[in-house]
Amino acid sequence: DGGITQSPKYLFRKEGQNVTLSCEQNLNHDAMYWYRQDPGQGLRLIYYSQIVNDFQKGDIAEGYSVSREKKESFPLTVTSAQKNPTAFYLCASSIQGGGYNEQFFGPGTRLTVL
Amino acid sequence: AQSVAQPEDQVNVAEGNPLTVKCTYSVSGNPYLFWYVQYPNRGLQFLLKYITGDNLVKGSYGFEAEFNKSQTSFHLKKPSALVSDSALYFCAVRPGDSGYSTLTFGKGTMLLVSP
Repeated sequence: DGGITQSPKYLFRKEGQNVTLSCEQNLNHDAMYWYRQDPGQGLRLIYYSQIVNDFQKGDIAEGYSVSREKKESFPLTVTSAQKNPTAFYLCASSIQGGGYNEQFFGPGTRLTVL
Repeated sequence: AQSVAQPEDQVNVAEGNPLTVKCTYSVSGNPYLFWYVQYPNRGLQFLLKYITGDNLVKGSYGFEAEFNKSQTSFHLKKPSALVSDSALYFCAVRPGDSGYSTLTFGKGTMLLVSP
C-alpha cells in the first residue's frame, strides 16, 4: 500500500450523518484520487485533484465533497445526500495526473450505513 | 469515451498451470494500459503497464501482458500459477494521445488457483 494511509479502516454511520474519510500520502505526488468500489462494479471515480487547491468531479460525485488544501492530504466527505453510501472507498495518488503514470492506492476504508 | 471489458468474472486454474486473464479496451487513439491486483480488503497494487514499444510487457511477481492493437486486447499472463496469485485483477485504460484523462477500470476478474 506504499506511502498512502487511509483512516479509519472501518467506519459506521447512521443515516443522515456526514462522515469524513482521511487520505494522506508522503510520496510527494501532485495528483490524488477517490474511488468507490462495489461488488461486481469495479472502481468508479468520485473526485480527483491534479494539484493543490484544485479538484474536479469524477463519474459519481453527487453526495460527496472533497478539499485539497495541502499536497499530502485529500479528505473525502460523504454527505447525507449520498443515497447509498455503503461501499469500500479507495484513495490513490500519482506523480502527475494522467499520462502513463501509474496510481498508488491506499488500503481503503469500508463504510457501512446502519 | 474509453471503456474496458473483462469478459470473465472468474478464472479457475490449477497451481503450476499457465494462466490468462482477459482484457479488451476501447479508446480514441493509442492507449496506455495497466493491470492491478487486489487482495481481500486491501488496496490495489500495480502490476505492469503498456505505454509504447514492445508488445510483451513484463511486470511484478512473474506476470506479463501482451498488447494486441488489432484485437484491442491486453491479456494478463503467467507461465506457472501459484496459489498465492489468487486475487482480484483489474485492467485499466486511458488515452495516450490526450493531455489529461482519467483512468477507466474494468469490473475485475477473480482468479482462483487451486493446489
